[in-house]
Amino acid sequence: EAGVTQSPTHLIKTRGQQATLRCSPISGHTSVYWYQQALGLGLQFLLWYDEGEERNRGNFPPRFSGRQFPNYSSELNVNALELEDSALYLCASSFRTSADTQYFGPGTRLTVL
Amino acid sequence: KNEVEQSPQNLTAQEGEFITINCSYSVGISALHWLQQHPGGGIVSLFMLSSGKKKHGRLIATINIQEKHSSLHITASHPRDSAVYICAVGDTDKLIFGTGTRLQVFP
Repeated sequence: EAGVTQSPTHLIKTRGQQATLRCSPISGHTSVYWYQQALGLGLQFLLWYDEGEERNRGNFPPRFSGRQFPNYSSELNVNALELEDSALYLCASSFRTSADTQYFGPGTRLTVL
Repeated sequence: KNEVEQSPQNLTAQEGEFITINCSYSVGISALHWLQQHPGGGIVSLFMLSSGKKKHGRLIATINIQEKHSSLHITASHPRDSAVYICAVGDTDKLIFGTGTRLQVFP
């Protein structure tokens, strides 16, 4: 069974640009979570999507947004990139809620120059 | 004060030693997760606990709901166990992460 996949693996952008990150959950999982891991910092919760709807978001500005498609894959969009957005962005999927085991993807490393 | 505290932050051990990593939390939770992150960033979910104890191979995780504390034990540690171990607590709609414990096991 395929695990959670993310693309691209690496992404380099300049300040002010927009970045789009993609995630495909494990088959059968309806929940997708996005996390940010900035260099030297711990994981921070970004967004949770379930059944196509945003269920919760962490303490991030509105320029971090996303969506979940009918096939449960998800996109994370970061607008007006800032240098401090440079981080590893991890996607995880689970059957329903964070009370279920979350399976993590390999991550997308975003570098903002 | 962080809602999830881990100790120690860094840990070095000789191969074969028994390892304990601790996690304390201050929020109500529905489950506690232990994660392993290897260099390069990949994260593996080791355990999800809501009560008691779980064992998988050389890894054991325990949780005390009343004391809001969990421990991850590694028996007969091996250099391939070197990684960052992260405790995360889940309420209904998000995970809150500890800052991680960096473990290095030397041969």
